Amino acid sequence: DARVTQTPRDKVTEMGQEVTMRCQPILGHNTVFWYRQTMMQGLELLAYFRNRAPLDDSGMPKDRFSAEMPDATLATLKIQPSEPRDSAVYFCASGTNSNQPQHFGDGTRLSIL
Amino acid sequence: GNSVTQMEGPVTLSEEAFLTINCTYTATGYPSLFWYVQYPGEGLQLLLKATKADDKGSNKGFEATYRKETTSFHLEKGSVQVSDSAVYFCALSDAGGTSYGKLTFGQGTILTVHP
Repeated sequence: DARVTQTPRDKVTEMGQEVTMRCQPILGHNTVFWYRQTMMQGLELLAYFRNRAPLDDSGMPKDRFSAEMPDATLATLKIQPSEPRDSAVYFCASGTNSNQPQHFGDGTRLSIL
Repeated sequence: GNSVTQMEGPVTLSEEAFLTINCTYTATGYPSLFWYVQYPGEGLQLLLKATKADDKGSNKGFEATYRKETTSFHLEKGSVQVSDSAVYFCALSDAGGTSYGKLTFGQGTILTVHP
């Protein structure tokens, strides 16, 4: 089965460090979503792309977060500088249109000390 | 804007009990509706979906019917197993042409099934 691949699986780093999370969407999927999951806030949509173009990043703190799609097989989410409140599980998902489900990766578990 | 409301959890059941997790939604137009399941340490997986009114989605013994008149998409299973213990999310997808599958999620319901 085709899968969304996220790396790294786990990341522990100190406050102030840059964090880069990567996502390989399913081949042929032209929409990519980034989510953050915490116990307090649940699932939050951070940003999403259609055909590599950003459509909405209103869920993302602009001063420290950035999301890009350098090519159709790679999406990145960067945090610089990182803060303890960024500790969460970050999920990437890919899809095609509104009638079809999104497919999720297994997430990056981020801990900022 | 769109919203999804799920019943408060957590839900604790004995094996072979009947399960219902309520989900209601607010949306304009005719959204597609989904149930996702998340097992510990994993991402969300699609459980079932329905794309129009009166459609019934089903998978692995779970069912949900798209009820436009009550704006609901309740999840049911006749006999739960310990392996069904997970977090369940109800979600809707805008039918509008510019949303491209953007999902609105409920808050999730934790299900624990005891032997």
